[in-house]
Amino acid sequence: QVQLVQSGAEVKKPGASVKVSCKASGYTFTGYYMHWVRQAPGQGLEWMGWINPNSGGTNYAQKFQGWVTMTRDTSISTAYMELSRLRSDDTAVYYCAREEPSSYGMDVWGQGTTVTVSS
Amino acid sequence: SYELTQPPSVSVSPGQTARITCSGDALPKQYAYWYQQKPGQAPVLVIYKDSERPSGIPERFSGSSSGTTVTLTISGVQAEDEADYYCQSADSSGTYKVFGTGTKVTVL
Repeated sequence: QVQLVQSGAEVKKPGASVKVSCKASGYTFTGYYMHWVRQAPGQGLEWMGWINPNSGGTNYAQKFQGWVTMTRDTSISTAYMELSRLRSDDTAVYYCAREEPSSYGMDVWGQGTTVTVSS
Repeated sequence: SYELTQPPSVSVSPGQTARITCSGDALPKQYAYWYQQKPGQAPVLVIYKDSERPSGIPERFSGSSSGTTVTLTISGVQAEDEADYYCQSADSSGTYKVFGTGTKVTVL
């Protein structure tokens, strides 16, 4: 079945970086954009950007430009999101979600990865 | 930056109709999507392209659009529909996605 499986929870100190992975299975990895969305505790959803796994092209939300890097490894159908210079308010659940390029919505989501930033 | 505005909460009795609005200046140009999120779970897509329903989503979920407002309607609300609902769209250029502020639906 189609699924996205994310890496496990992370605890980081302020100023560090974190890299979250998202492994796709059950569909053609290069046929769908991969979005990254985060949700701080008790807060709403925040779109961070997407990567086109076929070309490697990216589109980051203005807030995260210069701060987030999205990459992929097509040989293992895995997308990555790396966030640098972490602060305490980056504590959140980070989700990956796929979308077909013709804009049918984010129809499959990963289970989420909790990133805690604490000194 | 572009924003989508939703009411913080909607309360409805079982069997009644819940309507959740989402307002944004670019909605006449950009499609809207709706997601349901239950506590501790990842979001689930319930409406795409303003009014289309993905396979597996009950018919009681429907979407509509009028000018700068889109609406998610849940007809014949059931207890299992209690959740947070988020609209999602893009800015006028279509470059940047954005989520609405979220609406908590409570089934009385």
